[in-house]
Amino acid sequence: ETGVTQSPTHLIKTRGQQVTLRCSSQSGHNTVSWYQQALGQGPQFIFQYYREEENGRGNFPPRFSGLQFPNYSSELNVNALELDDSALYLCASSFGDPREQYFGPGTRLTVT
Amino acid sequence: AQSVTQLGSHVSVSEGALVLLRCNYSSSVPPYLFWYVQYPNQGLQLLLKYTSAATLVKGINGFEAEFKKSETSFHLTKPSAHMSDAAEYFCAVSDGRADQKLVFGQGTRLTINP
Repeated sequence: ETGVTQSPTHLIKTRGQQVTLRCSSQSGHNTVSWYQQALGQGPQFIFQYYREEENGRGNFPPRFSGLQFPNYSSELNVNALELDDSALYLCASSFGDPREQYFGPGTRLTVT
Repeated sequence: AQSVTQLGSHVSVSEGALVLLRCNYSSSVPPYLFWYVQYPNQGLQLLLKYTSAATLVKGINGFEAEFKKSETSFHLTKPSAHMSDAAEYFCAVSDGRADQKLVFGQGTRLTINP
């Protein structure tokens, strides 16, 4: 049984560009949540997908969007990147139980 | 709305000493509470969780936490610190509702002195 994986590990983008981050959920999990962790801060909830539908959203602007695919993998898209978008982006998967969320290693995004 | 406050952004203890990391929460419903550990350049690893069963929860690596409803606290302890415990620790709360989101504290960086 594989755990949660994320790609890429690191990337550098320029302000104004667009970026797509990917997450493969743990086998059997149908729910994926995305979090943003700025340097020196705790993770903040961006949104969650359950069976390909958005199932809750945090206080992030619409330029943060997502998708979940039939195999329950997920993408996080960020348009019009800003310097403050520089952060570690974490995804967590679960099987409908908030007590059992498993985190991936994260993607470190740097916006210059 | 739920919230978590971790008292002390940095805690330093000697190897072999007691580790105590403090967490207070606010929740309008009975909460689920979690402690996660994050090593440098890594994701989050679950240490332990409280889900309305026993109030004293034992986790991995010798850590435990006690849920105290009257004090709205969920402090993390370990009797004897090891060098490998040096990391960032996050307390989180969930109300267990539909979106399952976790609300995290700001984190506490634990340093172990030899």
